[in-house]
Amino acid sequence: NAGVMQNPRHLVRRRGQEARLRCSPMKGHSHVYWYRQLPEEGLKFMVYLQKENIIDESGMPKERFSAEFPKEGPSILRIQQVVRGDSAAYFCASSPVNLRASSGNTIYFGEGSWLTVV
Amino acid sequence: GQSLEQPSEVTAVEGAIVQINCTYQTSGFYGLSWYQQHDGGAPTFLSYNALDGLEETGRFSSFLSRSDSYGYLLLQELQMKDSASYFCAVRDRDNAGNMLTFGGGTRLMVKP
Repeated sequence: NAGVMQNPRHLVRRRGQEARLRCSPMKGHSHVYWYRQLPEEGLKFMVYLQKENIIDESGMPKERFSAEFPKEGPSILRIQQVVRGDSAAYFCASSPVNLRASSGNTIYFGEGSWLTVV
Repeated sequence: GQSLEQPSEVTAVEGAIVQINCTYQTSGFYGLSWYQQHDGGAPTFLSYNALDGLEETGRFSSFLSRSDSYGYLLLQELQMKDSASYFCAVRDRDNAGNMLTFGGGTRLMVKP
C-alpha cells in the first residue's frame, strides 16, 4: 500500500517562474492537507482539500498561491511568480476520513517537495 | 487561535531517558499528537492522546493533562537513531478547517 506520494522531491525555480507541486494521497484517502516548513521551523498549515472542494484555505497566502484536488489525478499546489521567500519544504498529508469524525488525529505525510528559488 | 510551546533543543546521551514537554492554548481541544521528523524526511506519527494519562508504545510514551493544557513525550533507552525533531500537534474541536496545528518542534540530539 503506497504512502503519500509527492513530486518533484526537489525543484529549483528562478524568481518570477511558476512552481507546481503534486501530491497523490494514500489509497483510500480522500482528504488532503498541504503544509509549509521553512528551515529550522515547524509545519505551517496552508490548505485542506477534499475531491473538487477546498474546505479550508486559511493558511494560504492571498496572492500567487492556489491549490486544487480534482476528481481525477493528484492534488496540486501552484505557486506563481515565485520569490526567494517561497523557498521551503512543502509537505502534503492525507487522511482517510474527516478528522472530526475519527477518534484519532493521524494524518500521513509524504516525503515533501523542496522548493529552492534562485 | 491555537498556539503550542515546546523547547527548541534537547541533548541527551545514548541509553538515557528524555522528556519533551508541550503546552498548548486552544479555544477547544480534541487530542494531542506527536510526530517525529528526521532531517530531510517526512514527519511520521508517533502517538496520540485524547484523554488524560499515559500512552505507551515501546520505548516511547506520551502523557496528557487536559486540565493543565500540557503533555509530554518520553523517550527511553535513547538510541542514536532517535536524533530528530519532535513536534506536538493539536486539533481544535472548533476548527472548521479540521487540520492539525503544530508546535515549532524540539530538536533532539543524542550523543554517544
